[in-house]
Amino acid sequence: DTGVSQDPRHKITKRGQNVTFRCDPISEHNRLYWYRQTLGQGPEFLTYFQNEAQLEKSRLLSDRFSAERPKGSFSTLEIQRTEQGDSAMYLCASSPGLAVTDTQYFGPGTRLTVL
Amino acid sequence: GNSVTQMEGPVTLSEEAFLTINCTYTATGYPSLFWYVQYPGEGLQLLLKATKADDKGSNKGFEATYRKETTSFHLEKGSVQVSDSAVYFCALKTDSWGKLQFGAGTQVVVTP
Repeated sequence: DTGVSQDPRHKITKRGQNVTFRCDPISEHNRLYWYRQTLGQGPEFLTYFQNEAQLEKSRLLSDRFSAERPKGSFSTLEIQRTEQGDSAMYLCASSPGLAVTDTQYFGPGTRLTVL
Repeated sequence: GNSVTQMEGPVTLSEEAFLTINCTYTATGYPSLFWYVQYPGEGLQLLLKATKADDKGSNKGFEATYRKETTSFHLEKGSVQVSDSAVYFCALKTDSWGKLQFGAGTQVVVTP
């Protein structure tokens, strides 16, 4: 068990550029979640995958955001035409998917700064 | 909709003091309740959880009891250490897909 990993850890970009983040969940975890955390706030849910299927998207996930989880393993979160309001920590979490009460294990996050 | 309210921080206390962080929630149905901790420079870690009314979660000297009648899940520790300095998040989960809803977090600073 190597834990949830995220790459990159930090990303600085200019407004209008596209960025892509990667999340590698714990091996054999079926569920994968993306959250966004802004300074001084708790994480907010963005989207959720059960294996390769994206089953729920938050209203926070505008059309500029897209997430994928090909083959039910790693996941990517892409933000197109970034805006300064996208600056935040993007967190990935995974869980076994065996029960509603599964523990979610979080990665270290990717901190995005949009200039 | 569902929501979680935590006491505002920072909470500053001396080593060996008693810690309480209040958490109340609003939810439809019967949520599971969680406390996560974020140490400086690290990711979120599950501290403890409770899945039904009157359950008590405990870990590392921390405890919290699921009180349905007061819709609360207050976190307590009898004697804090400097190493307990962190941000603590209360969270709930209601749906079968398991997304978490977090409070705003409470920063705890423990001084020697």
